[in-house]
Amino acid sequence: DTGVSQDPRHKITKRGQNVTFRCDPISEHNRLYWYRQTLGQGPEFLTYFQNEAQLEKSRLLSDRFSAERPKGSFSTLEIQRTEQGDSAMYLCASSYGTGNTIYFGEGSWLTVV
Amino acid sequence: TQLLEQSPQFLSIQEGENLTVYCNSSSVFSSLQWYRQEPGEGPVLLVTVVTGGEVKKLKRLTFQFGDARKDSSLHITAAQPGDTGLYLCAGEADSWGKLQFGAGTQVVVTP
Repeated sequence: DTGVSQDPRHKITKRGQNVTFRCDPISEHNRLYWYRQTLGQGPEFLTYFQNEAQLEKSRLLSDRFSAERPKGSFSTLEIQRTEQGDSAMYLCASSYGTGNTIYFGEGSWLTVV
Repeated sequence: TQLLEQSPQFLSIQEGENLTVYCNSSSVFSSLQWYRQEPGEGPVLLVTVVTGGEVKKLKRLTFQFGDARKDSSLHITAAQPGDTGLYLCAGEADSWGKLQFGAGTQVVVTP
């Protein structure tokens, strides 16, 4: 069990470009969560999946953001037409059902220049 | 907007001293979790408290959940440099894993 894995760890992109982050949860964890964290703030909830179903999306997730978990295993978070305000660390987490420990990955840092 | 207010924002103490971090909200949470985050890493769960008035101990760390399930505190006894980190509280409002985090308290323990 290698923990929650995120890729890439760091991404620098020009404003207007699209970026995609990948998250591999702990195997057999059916719940997967995406959060965003900016400097000096705690993580903010973006969305979560139970298996392949996306059950909830935060208002923070604008139309430029899309998340998928097609086979109920890994997930991708795509940001289209990036803006400087999208610069943040994007955290993925997973858990086995409800009531069990939520494990966070090390995050993917995005810098939009 | 952070619905959970953490105080203080920053705490610098000497090794061996005690410290307390507070987490307050006007909202009721079904559970509250405390995490510690190191630079460049994701948060790591320390404890989950569920019952109002609950007290949990983890070695030198003591966590308390308020009777009304709106606030919590973390007390560290005889702090060590290894306790240095960002301490985050997070409340679960209506769905497991959908957490509302505070802005965190940065704790620095110097030898």
